[in-house]
Amino acid sequence: GDSVTQTEGLVTVTEGLPVKLNCTYQTTYLTIAFFWYVQYLNEAPQVLLKSSTDNKRTEHQGFHATLHKSSSSFHLQKSSAQLSDSALYYCALLNTGNYKYVFGAGTRLKVIA
Amino acid sequence: EAAVTQSPRNKVAVTGGKVTLSCNQTNNHNNMYWYRQDTGHGLRLIHYSYGAGSTEKGDIPDGYKASRPSQENFSLILELATPSQTSVYFCASGDAGAANERLFFGHGTKLSVL
Repeated sequence: GDSVTQTEGLVTVTEGLPVKLNCTYQTTYLTIAFFWYVQYLNEAPQVLLKSSTDNKRTEHQGFHATLHKSSSSFHLQKSSAQLSDSALYYCALLNTGNYKYVFGAGTRLKVIA
Repeated sequence: EAAVTQSPRNKVAVTGGKVTLSCNQTNNHNNMYWYRQDTGHGLRLIHYSYGAGSTEKGDIPDGYKASRPSQENFSLILELATPSQTSVYFCASGDAGAANERLFFGHGTKLSVL
């Protein structure tokens, strides 16, 4: 079946410095889409980014990600982290054959002053 | 903005008891999903549905049943609750096939089984 791997459980970064959250995946399906969801404390997860196009950079709210099918990756990056970015981030894959969303284990981002 | 409402927001149940978690969406989305959230495991899919009358097993369906009596409502049922089912449960809806397809989540139900 499909799977999504987020290797870091916790990433701590100083405000103003760049941040990268890693996401790799495994799937046997050709028609797929990828997402980053963000969950702030005591809130519901909400979509941050979406992409289904290989090698195309997608940006939103200062974050960006590029889907690389050659390396099965969809890493999330930001050039300058803000205190308000502290949250739980999920990478997810949508199999458009059966419309199942598969999530990674999540990475907690902590931005410190 | 799409709206997904879960009830109750908090629930304490006894081992062996029956628990029903309810979810209502006003988005007219065909697909609905139940996930549980646990530290270290992320969001894991329990059951999902393609429309009224349809339920499908997700990745961790054991110990759970689901019911989709209408387009708007999707329930998760624990017939015999166990402490291992203590978790936060999220319901979500999605507009299958839409150009901006994505999941809209409810605010979650925190379930404690004692």
